[in-house]
Amino acid sequence: GIQVEQSPPDLILQEGANSTLRCNFSDSVNNLQWFHQNPWGQLINLFYIPSGTKQNGRLSATTVATERYSLLYISSSQTTDSGVYFCAVAGSQGNLIFGKGTKLSVKP
Amino acid sequence: DAGVIQSPRHEVTEMGQEVTLRCKPISGHNSLFWYRQTMMRGLELLIYFNNNVPIDDSGMPEDRFSAKMPNASFSTLKIQPSEPRDSAVYFCASSGIIGNEKLFFGSGTQLSVL
Repeated sequence: GIQVEQSPPDLILQEGANSTLRCNFSDSVNNLQWFHQNPWGQLINLFYIPSGTKQNGRLSATTVATERYSLLYISSSQTTDSGVYFCAVAGSQGNLIFGKGTKLSVKP
Repeated sequence: DAGVIQSPRHEVTEMGQEVTLRCKPISGHNSLFWYRQTMMRGLELLIYFNNNVPIDDSGMPEDRFSAKMPNASFSTLKIQPSEPRDSAVYFCASSGIIGNEKLFFGSGTQLSVL
């Protein structure tokens, strides 16, 4: 099946800093999504982005499907951005497979 | 829309007991997924349904686990008999068109098997 690797595994930022999270995948995908799991365990969908670039406020994402990677950008980070960020991908079968996540801690 | 609704939020049971987790997907969504999250194994896909039909159950750990979707608005995940290693957070999620829509998660069920 498709393999998903996320980096870095852990990231500590000072409030106001910018960051880039990366997701590499091993095969062509029809579906790629980014999620944020907050400290209370809730999983929130950030982006559905199998290709191209999207922006939502301080967050943006870019997927280069031909090179099998996606990037999530967080600008002017806030303490509420803390949590775990997951990348999930699916091939033609549609079953979304999750990476191990990047744990982000934003310090005030 | 109320989102994906799971019940119960927390379940504590003793080894050997039957456990049933419930899920109501978002109205109009035709794909439903069950995931399990543990520290060791992360988020694992257990099974997913499209139009109430199970498409892939290869993630179901063993025969003690079973899942049903009798109609478009309800699904269950059953564990019988439960074991301590089944302790985890179980999430249900739904999407509109398989492979082409955002996936929305419920709040999860925290299962503890003593």
